[in-house]
Amino acid sequence: DGGITQSPKYLFRKEGQNVTLSCEQNLNHDAMYWYRQDPGQGLRLIYYSQIVNDFQKGDIAEGYSVSREKKESFPLTVTSAQKNPTAFYLCASSTTGGRPEAFFGQGTRLTVV
Amino acid sequence: AQSVTQPDIHITVSEGASLELRCNYSYGATPYLFWYVQSPGQGLQLLLKYFSGDTLVQGIKGFEAEFKRSQSSFNLRKPSVHWSDAAEYFCAVEAGSGNTPLVFGKGTRLSVIA
Repeated sequence: DGGITQSPKYLFRKEGQNVTLSCEQNLNHDAMYWYRQDPGQGLRLIYYSQIVNDFQKGDIAEGYSVSREKKESFPLTVTSAQKNPTAFYLCASSTTGGRPEAFFGQGTRLTVV
Repeated sequence: AQSVTQPDIHITVSEGASLELRCNYSYGATPYLFWYVQSPGQGLQLLLKYFSGDTLVQGIKGFEAEFKRSQSSFNLRKPSVHWSDAAEYFCAVEAGSGNTPLVFGKGTRLSVIA
């Protein structure tokens, strides 16, 4: 089955710890994205990548880091510099050019205590 | 910069009634337009999309949307709502190149009552 897999679904971390969220896709999409979702805020773009070994900051990149070493994988690290990391994180992928259609993973809910 | 406005934070409709969710965008050219639906704690599912051509587009689950260039709007409609349609709905735009990230509205939560 083709799709996007985010893991874990729920994640708990102590304040001050870095944590990495996994996102894997087998759709052969070039572009991958990380969004953060908070109640009433919609989806806000954290980082995106349109090609392996390259990525760009989105609107709320501070306190986050990413890597894109493989086409299939786009992990997100929430660092201790992120002031309010508790949120629902969504990964997506899409084709580039033409008429794109973005597919989303099931999300990871991160709670920092 | 592109922006998307969904004026209604929460809408309640009776089962069997019609539904219209509003979406307005701000962008110079005609962007690509999308509607997504999200059930609680889940990812987003694409309902429908508009790239060009016929301004009335059909989607899954009986939804349709109409692009109105003069009003910069892309409203989502359904003639008869089912209880299972209760969810959050997001309108999104892309610059029209296929090479930029989606920009989302803040969403409209739909409640369905018997």
